[in-house]
Amino acid sequence: NAGVTQTPKFRILKIGQSMTLQCTQDMNHNYMYWYRQDPGMGLKLIYYSVGAGITDKGEVPNGYNVSRSTTEDFPLRLELAAPSQTSVYFCASSWEGAMGYTFGSGTRLTVV
Amino acid sequence: QKEVEQDPGPLSVPEGAIVSLNCTYSNSAFQYFMWYRQYSRKGPELLMYTYSSGNKEDGRFTAQVDKSSKYISLFIRDSQPSDSATYLCAMSAEGNEKLTFGTGTRLTIIP
Repeated sequence: NAGVTQTPKFRILKIGQSMTLQCTQDMNHNYMYWYRQDPGMGLKLIYYSVGAGITDKGEVPNGYNVSRSTTEDFPLRLELAAPSQTSVYFCASSWEGAMGYTFGSGTRLTVV
Repeated sequence: QKEVEQDPGPLSVPEGAIVSLNCTYSNSAFQYFMWYRQYSRKGPELLMYTYSSGNKEDGRFTAQVDKSSKYISLFIRDSQPSDSATYLCAMSAEGNEKLTFGTGTRLTIIP
């Protein structure tokens, strides 16, 4: 049972490049979330999904896009990378909404 | 004012001490309260979960919620070096699919 798997673990992007952060869960959870974590700022919600085909914005969605075509996968897309998107990105899933998130191990992204 | 306030620390205590970690919040609708532990370069993991007011104990860990004061606490007894981590409080209102996190407190237990 792998839980929540995030790839890649590390990435350096140049300003203006695009990339997709992958997130897959094998727990059949309906709820999935993307957070970013910056030093001293805690976890900020970017986007979330309550089921396949349904996504909604969180607190800091600008510069990001998501899709949820299957229960298992919830990729996060950065279209035009900016230095302000340098952060650690965590994907999480849950069986009952806000109860008991399971987090992935994170993707460390640097935009230069 | 942030919805959830948490002292970022860092907090250093000797092994065996009792540790007290705290969060305050402003949203009176919050009903579910959680503590997550995050080791360096890892994702957070759920440590404790309480609903509404009261205490919950799990081994060396005790979570307390005082809704009248909008204040939650996590106590760690007989602290161990393996408890060294960042502790994040998180909370949610009834029926809300999203958690609101504190900024985390970095804790170091000194052997």
